[in-house]
Amino acid sequence: QSVLTQPPSVSGAPGQRVTISCTVSGSIIGAGYDVHWYQQLPGSAPKLLIYANINRPSGVPDRFSGSKSGSSASLAITGLQADDEADYYCQSYDSSLSGPVFGGGTKLTVL
Amino acid sequence: EVLLVESGGGLVQPGRSLRLSCAASGFTFEEYALHWVRQAPGKGLERVAYISSNGRHKVYADSVKGRFTISRDNAKNSMYLQMNSLRPEDTALYFCAKYLRAFRESDDGFDIWGQGTTVTVSS
Repeated sequence: QSVLTQPPSVSGAPGQRVTISCTVSGSIIGAGYDVHWYQQLPGSAPKLLIYANINRPSGVPDRFSGSKSGSSASLAITGLQADDEADYYCQSYDSSLSGPVFGGGTKLTVL
Repeated sequence: EVLLVESGGGLVQPGRSLRLSCAASGFTFEEYALHWVRQAPGKGLERVAYISSNGRHKVYADSVKGRFTISRDNAKNSMYLQMNSLRPEDTALYFCAKYLRAFRESDDGFDIWGQGTTVTVSS
């Protein structure tokens, strides 16, 4: 079974850069499936931030960027703002489950 | 505006049933695969069920297999989740979500989410 592992929490001061990692294990490795990233503000539905590893949907600021290398993907946020404080989830696809899988989520705290 | 709106949640006793609905607007409904994703209180996101754009292919998480049934009515731009034999561990906020790309059956991101409907299973 595949797992997407994220750090439970990260923090940074306003204006700083933070990164959130998503380590892929299991049957996703080698399959080349994309990683997608979501931001979930308190009390809200998730919002797509990055799709297919590096692409930003229309309306997402370029302060948010994604990358993927081997069995790891990362979300970077530059120029940290107070309203970036949220939970962030990575997501990929597991062919053995025939469905999407989510990481456990990372809580971003803006100090 | 592209919208998904869930309804049908509520408080239900263990072992009982509930039917969730997801009404869509603003996009060509029959071109997109749809999913139910849930989030237990204070927990992360968990996929529940998937239905292909034409409704012929359905996949369930092991935790709900045999108890939940996903369906869609492309004529009514609606998707449903029939939940039977509910358990306390099914308590969650249930979201419907659509894949980003038309006719995508796997390996895609979710670009549109509903606001969710809360299901509470308790005696």
